[in-house]
Amino acid sequence: AQSVTQLDSHVSVSEGTPVLLRCNYSSSYSPSLFWYVQHPNKGLQLLLKYTSAATLVKGINGFEAEFKKSETSFHLTKPSAHMSDAAEYFCALPSGGYNKLIFGAGTRLAVHP
Amino acid sequence: EAGVTQSPTHLIKTRGQQATLRCSPISGHTSVYWYQQALGLGLQFLLWYDEGEERNRGNFPPRFSGRQFPNYSSELNVNALELEDSALYLCASSLIRDGYTFGSGTRLTVV
Repeated sequence: AQSVTQLDSHVSVSEGTPVLLRCNYSSSYSPSLFWYVQHPNKGLQLLLKYTSAATLVKGINGFEAEFKKSETSFHLTKPSAHMSDAAEYFCALPSGGYNKLIFGAGTRLAVHP
Repeated sequence: EAGVTQSPTHLIKTRGQQATLRCSPISGHTSVYWYQQALGLGLQFLLWYDEGEERNRGNFPPRFSGRQFPNYSSELNVNALELEDSALYLCASSLIRDGYTFGSGTRLTVV
């Protein structure tokens, strides 16, 4: 069965420092993987997606993620955090047959001045 | 291109009443997914509709139901509302393997 584990429930960084949000997955086949962001009282916005093309995926707002099959990881990074990046981030993968999207528990990112 | 639209944005109901939430997918998307995001419970899959049919259902009681119309828009109905149904309900539409685009959600409050 497919599953997603986000390793940190909370991450706190200073503005201008790098961001690392960690996601591990479990899947019996090479999956598609997604990162979404949710700002307070808003819906989910797609940051980036991996669909078995290039393993380094660039997304919106300067975020990128690298698919590492050997480590079953898909960590999200950004070189320099901005105050507007403060939000909750979700890693997700489709279940078999694409009949639903399985989400991790989320990582709340705080950015301090 | 218009995104996924959900209505209403906020809904306040009394325990025992029925709530109806609506979702319009991106043009050309035939699949609609419903999720519940309750405080402290993460994103829980509710229902998947494709081509007018219910294709998959999450672990929710039968009082959560819905339908998909010929224009692919969808409706989620929650009967006999309970306090714990208070949550943000998110709708997403998809073309298979192309990603899932979410709406801004409907905030349901049961009092």
